[in-house]
Amino acid sequence: NAGVTQTPKFRVLKTGQSMTLLCAQDMNHEYMYWYRQDPGMGLRLIHYSVGEGTTAKGEVPDGYNVSRLKKQNFLLGLESAAPSQTSVYFCASSPLTDHNEQFFGPGTRLTVL
Amino acid sequence: GNSVTQMEGPVTLSEEAFLTINCTYTATGYPSLFWYVQYPGEGLQLLLKATKADDKGSNKGFEATYRKETTSFHLEKGSVQVSDSAVYFCATRRPGGYQKVTFGTGTKLQVIP
Repeated sequence: NAGVTQTPKFRVLKTGQSMTLLCAQDMNHEYMYWYRQDPGMGLRLIHYSVGEGTTAKGEVPDGYNVSRLKKQNFLLGLESAAPSQTSVYFCASSPLTDHNEQFFGPGTRLTVL
Repeated sequence: GNSVTQMEGPVTLSEEAFLTINCTYTATGYPSLFWYVQYPGEGLQLLLKATKADDKGSNKGFEATYRKETTSFHLEKGSVQVSDSAVYFCATRRPGGYQKVTFGTGTKLQVIP
């Protein structure tokens, strides 16, 4: 099993450009999450999903949109990137039966110039 | 809501030294408590957890005890190795249904030979 994978690993954008980050998991987990990690701020939840076709806002949703059209995929979109969105983005998933543990992807490092 | 406070780093230790990373939490009810570890260039992975008062979580020589009276969950290891160099995150989650995980800001540990 590959676990949680993220595409791409690195990306540089100019202000105003758009992009989509892809997260995929092969563990049949119900819950999926997008976090951003910034120095000195830990992890902050952007959006999450409790099942296919459902999404919800986390702590810092502004400027981001998500979709969960398939159970195994969770997409994070930036419609008009801003320098404040420079960060490392992590996707995670957890099972319905015991969602104490979250399984994380390796991260995407995004720089917005 | 829940919150987590953990000691700021970086923490630098010599190999075989004793490690303590402090973590305190605020939460209503009886949250679950976790330590996650992030090795350089990777996503977070669960190190250990405890789900009720006085529980001790342990893994890879690390341990932490759920202390409700002091609202603490300090991470300890008797003899650290260079391979333990990583960032450690304390986290908490309220019980019941879907509940988000609240992460601390992380403590960087560097172990020198």
